[in-house]
Amino acid sequence: RKEVEQDPGPFNVPEGATVAFNCTYSNSASQSFFWYRQDCRKEPKLLMSVYSSGNEDGRFTAQLNRASQYISLLIRDSKLSDSATYLCVVTWLNTGNQFYFGTGTSLTVIP
Amino acid sequence: EAGVTQFPSHSVIEKGQTVTLRCDPISGHDNLYWYRRVMGKEIKFLLHFVKESKQDESGMPNNRFLAERTGGTYSTLKVQPAELEDSGVYFCASSQQGVVTDTQYFGPGTRLTVL
Repeated sequence: RKEVEQDPGPFNVPEGATVAFNCTYSNSASQSFFWYRQDCRKEPKLLMSVYSSGNEDGRFTAQLNRASQYISLLIRDSKLSDSATYLCVVTWLNTGNQFYFGTGTSLTVIP
Repeated sequence: EAGVTQFPSHSVIEKGQTVTLRCDPISGHDNLYWYRRVMGKEIKFLLHFVKESKQDESGMPNNRFLAERTGGTYSTLKVQPAELEDSGVYFCASSQQGVVTDTQYFGPGTRLTVL
């Protein structure tokens, strides 16, 4: 089983739509959780960390469910500029600081 | 502030040749990581430096890969001899604190093609 699993998509949504991505992780001792965004042939960039209580940053909301071992990302009022691949990232308690990545979910926002 | 930089951006070599990738982390970041993405797969960890010391090299695929960080500044990753399955994008990342909650900042990657 993969450490982090994501639906690769692609998700094609119209501008203004709300879209949600889920990610599941295999290790119950996972420590930290992040969503990174990667534009085509660019570097992954931090979108937001995910906290136990859930957190929001403008149009983006991240949730963590430790009992079910999944993380979600909700994007409201999608913009064309949101088109990218969204990477779910997890760290484990006893394996140093290495990031475990999902394969990413591709989003295209259509005019 | 300059981000993580990597050189070259692309490299095309033949099987059996040697390639050296370079990474310059963000100034002041003691922690430097190498990752690799092969086609169709997720980005995978290779190793982690704290200053000039290898903290974790559990992800290095085999002894054809050699990473160094002399002086604790920039790092190099050498592949010798290169094999076809080494093709992929090699990312470098750096972080300040080196704890599990730390944000890692990624470079643009080196796209390696082995023919």
